[in-house]
Amino acid sequence: KQEVTQIPAALSVPEGENLVLNCSFTDSAIYNLQWFRQDPGKGLTSLLLIQSSQREQTSGRLNASLDKSSGRSTLYIAASQPGDSATYLCAPQGPAFRYNFNKFYFGSGTKLNVKP
Amino acid sequence: ETGVTQTPRHLVMGMTNKKSLKCEQHLGHNAMYWYKQSAKKPLELMFVYNFKEQTENNSVPSRFSPECPNSSHLFLHLHTLQPEDSALYLCASRSGTSGSTDTQYFGPGTRLTVL
Repeated sequence: KQEVTQIPAALSVPEGENLVLNCSFTDSAIYNLQWFRQDPGKGLTSLLLIQSSQREQTSGRLNASLDKSSGRSTLYIAASQPGDSATYLCAPQGPAFRYNFNKFYFGSGTKLNVKP
Repeated sequence: ETGVTQTPRHLVMGMTNKKSLKCEQHLGHNAMYWYKQSAKKPLELMFVYNFKEQTENNSVPSRFSPECPNSSHLFLHLHTLQPEDSALYLCASRSGTSGSTDTQYFGPGTRLTVL
């Protein structure tokens, strides 16, 4: 079974800092990996999806990298803002056989607080 | 608005009640999911349906009974729940095509409290 670990569990920083959130997973035979954001008591919003053949994806101030062979992904947030405060979740997809392409495994998340 | 709706948004029920959660997606997807999110625990996959066929039951107790009458609707029928079943229940959908790179779209969740 895929195990996903996210470090740190919580992070509090002043506005403007650059941040790195870490994700590790035990089974490297994944289809893709996604990063999600969750605001308190709400559903998840997809931020970035990295295909297994890719090494990184960028969207605005967000950059996600993937090292599939070592089972690691990082989410880099540039110039953090108070509106970035949320829980960030990493979710590898797969592994790749039968219907497992439809399965996502989630970490416990990193709870981010960006102070004004 | 993500295209995935869930009702009700909040539900309080006793252990002897029977209730149902509803999820509806307007995205033309073929895969639908139920997840459970308890405090301080990772999101737990409960059930996956692909083209109305259940493809995953993650050892979920029988007091939770899913139903997928068509690709747009997913239900979770609840009966004789326990207080530890109190959680946020999230529904998600995805295209369901093998090898697809599209994301999951989540609903806002139903906050369930079992007294």
